[in-house]
Amino acid sequence: NAGVTQTPKFQVLKTGQSMTLQCAQDMNHNSMYWYRQDPGMGLRLIYYSASEGTTDKGEVPNGYNVSRLNKREFSLRLESAAPSQTSVYFCASSFKLRASEGEQYFGPGTRLTVT
Amino acid sequence: GENVEQHPSTLSVQEGDSAVIKCTYSDSASNYFPWYKQELGKGPQLIIDIRSNVGEKKDQRIAVTLNKTAKHFSLHITETQPEDSAVYFCSSGSARQLTFGSGTQLTVLP
Repeated sequence: NAGVTQTPKFQVLKTGQSMTLQCAQDMNHNSMYWYRQDPGMGLRLIYYSASEGTTDKGEVPNGYNVSRLNKREFSLRLESAAPSQTSVYFCASSFKLRASEGEQYFGPGTRLTVT
Repeated sequence: GENVEQHPSTLSVQEGDSAVIKCTYSDSASNYFPWYKQELGKGPQLIIDIRSNVGEKKDQRIAVTLNKTAKHFSLHITETQPEDSAVYFCSSGSARQLTFGSGTQLTVLP
């Protein structure tokens, strides 16, 4: 099992460009998440998907869109990148949405720089 | 929403000594408190968790304590080893989401 995989590992964008971060899990998990990690701020939830076909906003959703393509895949799209979106992005998955009922497994991250 | 504060932001200890990281949370409804370890260039990984009906949990050299009245919880690592060097995140969970602390960079000096 590969666990949670993310592509690409690194990306540099210019302000205004768009891109999609891809995430896939092979653990048959129902719930998937996108976080961003900034120095001194821990991990902040951008969007999550409780199950296939549903998505909900997290703490910092502005400037992002998501798609739960199927049970395995959950993508994050930046329509018009801004320097404030320079960050490390992590995808995670868990069997159940309720935090106390299942460990969240994280991917290796995508380091995004917007110039 | 939930607010989780974590201290210290950096911690250096000599190999073999103990390390303690402390967190406080604000939401009385939080009932699940996992700790994650993040090694350089990798995603966070769960190392231990505790639920609100338990005051302490131990797993080999790692222990967590929870004081629900004071709304704080701590991670204790004993007999630290160089491979314990990493960033540690506390988090607090309720019905839907985990809220993370800002992280502690632990360095174990040989």
